[in-house]
Amino acid sequence: NAGVTQTPKFQVLKTGQSMTLQCAQDMNHEYMSWYRQDPGMGLRLIHYSVGAGITDQGEVPNGYNVSRSTTEDFPLRLLSAAPSQTSVYFCASSTSLLPPTDTQYFGPGTRLTVL
Amino acid sequence: DAKTTQPNSMESNEEEPVHLPCNHSTISGTDYIHWYRQLPSQGPEYVIHGLTSNVNNRMASLAIAEDRKSSTLILHRATLRDAAVYYCILRNYGGSQGNLIFGKGTKLSVKP
Repeated sequence: NAGVTQTPKFQVLKTGQSMTLQCAQDMNHEYMSWYRQDPGMGLRLIHYSVGAGITDQGEVPNGYNVSRSTTEDFPLRLLSAAPSQTSVYFCASSTSLLPPTDTQYFGPGTRLTVL
Repeated sequence: DAKTTQPNSMESNEEEPVHLPCNHSTISGTDYIHWYRQLPSQGPEYVIHGLTSNVNNRMASLAIAEDRKSSTLILHRATLRDAAVYYCILRNYGGSQGNLIFGKGTKLSVKP
């Protein structure tokens, strides 16, 4: 299993540009989520999904859109990038949000810089 | 999720045990205590979790106080690879509350 994969690893955008961060998992996990991590901080939840066709907002959803058309993929879209969105983005997945299958597996991250 | 308090940083020597403390004085009876760690330039990874009893796995041990208001993650023999930020997280499974809520964690440095 590849686990959780994220592309790209690095990205530089100009203010106002749009882009999609890709996240895929091959573990048949129902739950997937996106976090951002700013320097010296812990991770903050952006959006999450408990299954295909179901998404919900986390702590910091503004400026980001998500959709979940398949179990495997959970892309994160930035519609109009702003410098405040410069961060490292992590995708995570787990079988469910309930024990004992709630251990979350994280991807390697995407480092995004918005100029 | 209830709040946790951890020291900002700790140091250890290689091959010595490390005790990472976590205070959670407002923990509820249904909150699980989870630990994740984040190695440099990587995503977080699961370490261990427990509810009331002490827990052991191949990575670490988790000691939970009898009143559950504090817990300690124990690395029995620290290696250089254990240098990471360790996050203590309380999880309650009502509704959407199973999401992980990260604090700033404890940055562990391991000296050779």
